[in-house]
Amino acid sequence: EPEVTQTPSHQVTQMGQEVILRCVPISNHLYFYWYRQILGQKVEFLVSFYNNEISEKSEIFDDQFSVERPDGSNFTLKIRSTKLEDSAMYFCASRVRASGFTDTQYFGPGTRLTVL
Amino acid sequence: GENVEQHPSTLSVQEGDSAVIKCTYSDSASNYFPWYKQELGKRPQLIIDIRSNVGEKKDQRIAVTLNKTAKHFSLHITETQPEDSAVYFCAASGASGSARQLTFGSGTQLTVLP
Repeated sequence: EPEVTQTPSHQVTQMGQEVILRCVPISNHLYFYWYRQILGQKVEFLVSFYNNEISEKSEIFDDQFSVERPDGSNFTLKIRSTKLEDSAMYFCASRVRASGFTDTQYFGPGTRLTVL
Repeated sequence: GENVEQHPSTLSVQEGDSAVIKCTYSDSASNYFPWYKQELGKRPQLIIDIRSNVGEKKDQRIAVTLNKTAKHFSLHITETQPEDSAVYFCAASGASGSARQLTFGSGTQLTVLP
């Protein structure tokens, strides 16, 4: 069964550095999402992406964040200048939009970001 | 925006007993309600979902009920097994925009005691 994949599994960075988290959504999926989960807390929506543009974003997704689909398979989340509070597990998810309507989102394994 | 409340935060049951987790949502326009199971350090895995045109859905030992009027939905696990131990998250979507992003509850740590 196809799965969403993410790299790296763990990223350690210094405060102020830029990081890029990578995701490969399921191949026939059209909607892509980033969520984050601070340790011990609930999963929070960051941004959704459809048709090569952001469709929705939360208040967490400020100017330090950006997303991109640089090619036909990858979907990336960039944090320009990391802060200590960016330390979290970042999940990518994707959803298919068929001729009908499908809500199910499939999550990747996550990237644990640690900002020192 | 949408707000999802989930209770209890922790739940311990004896193996073979039933477990019930409850969620409420704030936006009556939400129309899709999935439940995810998350084992430690792993990705959230969809275990069951329900849409607002249905009041109940069952899949083997797992069932979900939805009360649109009261804006609450519940997860029922029967004949619990130790491998059911995990964090369970409810979520809601469909309230706004076309992206159908999920708003999650705060999670329930379920422990099934052998």
